[in-house]
Amino acid sequence: GIQVEQSPPDLILQEGANSTLRCNFSDSVNNLQWFHQNPWGQLINLFYIPSGTKQNGRLSATTVATERYSLLYISSSQTTDSGVYFCAVAVQFYFGTGTSLTVIP
Amino acid sequence: GAVVSQHPSRVICKSGTSVKIECRSLDFQATTMFWYRQFPKQSLMLMATSNEGSKATYEQGVEKDKFLINHASLTLSTLTVTSAHPEDSSFYICSARGGGGSPGELFFGEGSRLTVL
Repeated sequence: GIQVEQSPPDLILQEGANSTLRCNFSDSVNNLQWFHQNPWGQLINLFYIPSGTKQNGRLSATTVATERYSLLYISSSQTTDSGVYFCAVAVQFYFGTGTSLTVIP
Repeated sequence: GAVVSQHPSRVICKSGTSVKIECRSLDFQATTMFWYRQFPKQSLMLMATSNEGSKATYEQGVEKDKFLINHASLTLSTLTVTSAHPEDSSFYICSARGGGGSPGELFFGEGSRLTVL
């Protein structure tokens, strides 16, 4: 199957800081989605972004499909942004390794 | 967005018993649903693709006789963990496509946490 790697694996930020999370995938994909998993395990849809750029408030994402990567930008981070961020790709949605984000006040 | 609901959210059972988890698409029809398993501090691993009216497609290494999947209607897929053992304890999550938004967008249930004693 497709290999999906995310970086960094762990990230600690001061509240108000900006960050960039990366998702690399090993093959061409037609589907890519970013999720935030909250402490209760619920997956929250952030972006469905197989290509191009989207923005939603403090979050934005860019996927460069030809180069097989996607980036998730978090600006002015808040403590509520803490959790694990996953990207998932392909028809069946193979999940990446995840980035665990901790925002400290 | 579309709503996918799982039940139960938590289940504790004795070793050797079978447990059924339901996944429902509440406001849309889903010809395909997916089942995932997540161990603590790990990513989600795709177990199988559930197709309405036909057999599920299992990922390599997933025992189809252990994890029975039935997709009997366009709004319901079930995962039955047969003869559960402590190593089956995990967080099981389902997802479905077709709930509006972008055609390929996937929507996830709340997950079901299984503990086998």
